[in-house]
Amino acid sequence: GENVEQHPSTLSVQEGDSAVIKCTYSDSASNYFPWYKQELGKRPQLIIDIRSNVGEKKDQRIAVTLNKTAKHFSLHITETQPEDSAVYFCAAKGPEGAQKLVFGQGTRLTINP
Amino acid sequence: DAGVIQSPRHEVTEMGQEVTLRCKPISGHNSLFWYRQTMMRGLELLIYFNNNVPIDDSGMPEDRFSAKMPNASFSTLKIQPSEPRDSAVYFCASSLGPNTGELFFGEGSRLTVL
Repeated sequence: GENVEQHPSTLSVQEGDSAVIKCTYSDSASNYFPWYKQELGKRPQLIIDIRSNVGEKKDQRIAVTLNKTAKHFSLHITETQPEDSAVYFCAAKGPEGAQKLVFGQGTRLTINP
Repeated sequence: DAGVIQSPRHEVTEMGQEVTLRCKPISGHNSLFWYRQTMMRGLELLIYFNNNVPIDDSGMPEDRFSAKMPNASFSTLKIQPSEPRDSAVYFCASSLGPNTGELFFGEGSRLTVL
């Protein structure tokens, strides 16, 4: 089955700097790659996603890039703010009919003021 | 819509007791998922349903765990008997259907087994 590896496990950046989180996946048939943000004590919430027919997607300060050949995708957060502090999870899902969303282990991002 | 609703939010029980966690998905969503979250293992998919039918329960850790979805608006996850290693946050999530992407998570049920 699908296996998703995420790194780093923890990341600390200065407010205003950029943060990058990387994930690799094992199943070349996977075609949907979401990112979830989980604040302390809260539920995971989708912040951005990308499908395999797209190489990059941007939404204000966050962007995701996908390299299908290398089977990796990344989350980029620019101009980080204190409210970006959270745990971020990447995930991957297989082709049509495959509903299993397999999550990475998570990255705890801390923004230092 | 109120979102995915889970109960109880917190449960503390003793080893050997039965635990029942409940979930109400978003109205109109046809797929429901149970996840378990721990520090060591992250977010693990336990089981999911499409149109109230269990599709894949390969993530259920052992026979002590069971899940049901008697109708489109209600699901339960039961642990009997519970063990300390079952302590975790259990999330229920729903989505529109098999090929829609976004999962909507409930607030979670934090289970502590003493």
